[in-house]
Amino acid sequence: SQTIHQWPATLVQPVGSPLSLECTVEGTSNPNLYWYRQAAGRGLQLLFYSVGIGQISSEVPQNLSASRPQDRQFILSSKKLLLSDSGFYLCAWSYGTGMYEQYFGPGTRLTVT
Amino acid sequence: KQEVTQIPAALSVPEGENLVLNCSFTDSAIYNLQWFRQDPGKGLTSLLLIQSSQREQTSGRLNASLDKSSGRSTLYIAASQPGDSATYLCAVRSGNTGKLIFGQGTTLQV
Repeated sequence: SQTIHQWPATLVQPVGSPLSLECTVEGTSNPNLYWYRQAAGRGLQLLFYSVGIGQISSEVPQNLSASRPQDRQFILSSKKLLLSDSGFYLCAWSYGTGMYEQYFGPGTRLTVT
Repeated sequence: KQEVTQIPAALSVPEGENLVLNCSFTDSAIYNLQWFRQDPGKGLTSLLLIQSSQREQTSGRLNASLDKSSGRSTLYIAASQPGDSATYLCAVRSGNTGKLIFGQGTTLQV
């Protein structure tokens, strides 16, 4: 069966510090991968998605970037965090685009102070 | 631009009651619609996926329907239990990127 992991589970970082969140998927190969953010009062919003190694598409211009160095690894980064980056970050995967179901990880709670 | 709305934002029902959660979307050109459950501080658990060509899907006490032409979906929960208390989110996939557009959710208290 497939499993999706995210770490860390929680993170408190000062403004201006760097960020690295990691997501890995087990039990499947060549998944589509997604980063979403859930911010208070704003719902869930897609940030990045990837259909393969090194292939990243950005949905929303922002202070964040994403990378996919391995088939089942997806990383969300920032060089300098802003207060507005606080939120609950969720990684998801699917077998493909279009008709496929998306499965979500446990999330990372980021608080920027 | 696709927009997804869920009404009500919160719902409280006694145990054993059957209930319906509503989801509406503005653009009927969707690939599919997915219902999720989210417990406080947790990730999303996929409940049901309805493809655009389908009218409904069932899993246990859950039944989801889709009326694409009217831009509506409902999630029916039979014989509600305290363990059903959670936030329920619906999301539609419109484009070919896999992007899900989410509603704000309905928080259910049983």
